[in-house]
Order: sequence, then structure tokens, then C-alpha cells
Amino acid sequence: DTEVTQTPKHLVMGMTNKKSLKCEQHMGHRAMYWYKQKAKKPPELMFVYSYEKLSINESVPSRFSPECPNSSLLNLHLHALQPEDSALYLCASSQFPGVTGELFFGEGSRLTVL
Amino acid sequence: DAKTTQPPSMDCAEGRAANLPCNHSTISGNEYVYWYRQIHSQGPQYIIHGLKNNETNEMASLIITEDRKSSTLILPHATLRDTAVYYCIELDHSGGSNYKLTFGKGTLLTVNP
Repeated sequence: DTEVTQTPKHLVMGMTNKKSLKCEQHMGHRAMYWYKQKAKKPPELMFVYSYEKLSINESVPSRFSPECPNSSLLNLHLHALQPEDSALYLCASSQFPGVTGELFFGEGSRLTVL
Repeated sequence: DAKTTQPPSMDCAEGRAANLPCNHSTISGNEYVYWYRQIHSQGPQYIIHGLKNNETNEMASLIITEDRKSSTLILPHATLRDTAVYYCIELDHSGGSNYKLTFGKGTLLTVNP
């Protein structure tokens, strides 16, 4: 199984809603990542988890709250988002943190904030 | 910020080789060159990486110049399904807080029938 699975594929939420994006991998990878991608732009790194601990936060606003409950799961909790947060949110994983740049990406969750 | 430079777009005829250039003139000794691609509406896909030797796998070949200031990704027989944005990325394998895969603007490769 070489897949990274993201749910939901599409999400529409209001600015006062609380929602979560979920990411799952069963490759035994110990690094997991969240990227944000706006239309016609490259992906931008948001967070990196190494061995279930947050190792990199790229100065992401606190309305985005990541969580790594175990080595297979990565969540991104969303609260009080703004319309400009509408984007494709990509999850990725890699085998060992800091050893390889071969990341496996999911298909993404497309978020629309109204 | 991304430190590599790529042409914004390229065209290639189906069945021909696609040669995608990348400049990384400030690359350091610990930094590898990685290539990813992103087909429309999909997540990025790893293609290949190298340090200083040329590399080949089932998807592509990577040619790195001797001074390591530039590289070329070669898709030997491009198909319509290879139409995508191709990203060339430097990555420092020494780890630490700089261990981040940072995407630049990439090259949109369009394979034409």
C-alpha cells in the first residue's frame, strides 16, 4: 500500500465553522506533512511532524491546528477560517524524517471558505 | 524561498524526448536535486533525485552537470499523460530545521499529439 489517503476530497465551510481534514498512511512512514496550494501556485509547506511530534511550523496562523494522534494519522483542525484560506490542502508522508526527500502525496482536500 | 530557476513552460511532441532544464547555481555540497511533477488536480509525485552522478529510473533520467550548477530531467518518450508542472527542488540532506521540501514555480510541460 503506497497510498496517502485524504478525506474529505471537498469541503465547504463558513467562517464560524469548525471542521477537520484527515490524512492516513499505512506505509510505516514516520514523517508527515501538510502543504497548502492556492490556484496556479506551487505547494507551500505548513507543518512537519517527525515521529508524531511537531518539528516545523511555518508560521501558520493559529486558526489551523495540526494533530498527529499516531504514526498513521494526521489531522488538520480548522476554525474561524477566512475566505482567503480557500485552497487545496495536501498531506504527504516520508519514510524517515531528515533522511529522504521522497514524499508521497495524497490527492488533497479542496477547501472553500464562504 | 525556492533557489532553483526553471522556464515557466515548454512544449514537447508526443513520443519525443522531453528535456526539462533547471538552474541551481547556489547549490551546496549537502544539497540533492529532486524532481517532482504535479498533474492537474492531483498531488505532487516524486520522480527522481541525485547528488552529482546521473541517475535513471523507470520514469526518467537526471543529468547533473559536473559543477552541479544545473541539471536536466529527461522523459525519454513523452506521452500525453506526462503533461504536468515539473518542479526542480534543492534539498539539504544534513537535516535540521532546513530540511524542508520547498517548491518553486516549476515548468508546465505540455505534450502535444
